[in-house]
This record gives sequence, structure tokens and C-alpha cells, in this order.
Amino acid sequence: DGGITQSPKYLFRKEGQNVTLSCEQNLNHDAMYWYRQDPGQGLRLIYYSQIVNDFQKGDIAEGYSVSREKKESFPLTVTSAQKNPTAFYLCASSIVGSSRRETQYFGPGTRLLVL
Amino acid sequence: AQSVTQLGSHVSVSEGALVLLRCNYSSSVPPYLFWYVQYPNQGLQLLLKYTTGATLVKGINGFEAEFKKSETSFHLTKPSAHMSDAAEYFCAVSSQGAQKLVFGQGTRLTINP
Repeated sequence: DGGITQSPKYLFRKEGQNVTLSCEQNLNHDAMYWYRQDPGQGLRLIYYSQIVNDFQKGDIAEGYSVSREKKESFPLTVTSAQKNPTAFYLCASSIVGSSRRETQYFGPGTRLLVL
Repeated sequence: AQSVTQLGSHVSVSEGALVLLRCNYSSSVPPYLFWYVQYPNQGLQLLLKYTTGATLVKGINGFEAEFKKSETSFHLTKPSAHMSDAAEYFCAVSSQGAQKLVFGQGTRLTINP
């Protein structure tokens, strides 16, 4: 079955620690995205990538970093510079079309909690 | 810049009643509009989307939405609510330039037996 997997489902971060969230897709999509979800605020874009070895900052990139070494994978690192990391993190992917109409497909999410 | 406003963070209806979730958007370019549903602790699932053509769009689980350009709206409806419809619903508009989605704040739908 094609889809997007995110791991782990729950992640705990200690003060000053960097943690990495995994996102893998086997949909053969070129574009991948990371969103942060907080209660009552909808989803906000952290980073996105439309091609391997290239990515762009979204609206709330401070304190986060990403890499895109393989088409299938787009890991997100939450660094110690992110002072309020507790949230639900969602990864998505889509094909890259000539317009803005392409659907984004979402993974099941990772909940990050601070100890 | 694009933006989305969902009117009502919580909506409660009785089982069998009409569901109406409101979404208004602003966009400097012809909008492409999406409705997603999220069940607790899960990712988002596409319900329906409007790109071009027919302004009444039918989606999964009996939902539909109508694009009204004059009102800049894309409200989601379902004629008869079912207990399984209880979830959070997000309206989104595709942003100009790169394929970015701008989401509304979400509406939590509760179904009363």
C-alpha cells in the first residue's frame, strides 16, 4: 500500500536536546512538507521541498532544520533553539504539477512532548 | 496573500441534522480550495477540493461544498449527520507561487445522539 509513514508516534524531548522526526513516503511524490499543529491555530508550514537536495523555509522555520537527500525521505530536526516545541507534527507530500491544484496527502503525525 | 477564516471553532449538531461548516477565503489569484477532516490523533484526510469547473463539489462520506466567488465562501455541508462525522475539519486555500496550503483554524464538529 502506498502512503506516508511518520515515526515515532510519540516523542519526548529533554531541555537542550535536538530530536529528529522521520517522514517517509512511497507515493513517488516530488514535493514534501512539514506542518506544525497547535490547538486552535490550524496547521502552519515549517519547511517544504519540491526536489531532492533543495528545500525552502515556511512560515515558522526558526528552531527547525530539514534535509532532503532522498526523494522518499524528509526528516525534520527540532533543535534546542525551538523554545516551545510541544505540538503535533504532520508530514505531507504531493506531486509537483504546473498549477496549485495538487492534493497534499498527510501522514499520521508525531506528537512531541517536552519533559 | 491568501488567508482562510473558519467561522465557529466548535459546531454541535444532533444526529440526522444538517451539518454546515463555514469557510471564507481571501486570495489575490483564482483560488483552489480544499476541505480536510482529522480524527483524533490522526493525520488529515482529503474530503473534497475545488479547482475549476462545477462550483458544487461532492466529496467522500456524503459531504459537499459550494464555491461562491461573489461571497468568497466555500462552506461544507452534509444533509444528515452521523455519529462517525465527529472530527475536526479544516478548510485550506492553495497559496500563490509554490504549492503551499494556507489553513483555517479548524472547526470541531460534535454530534449529539
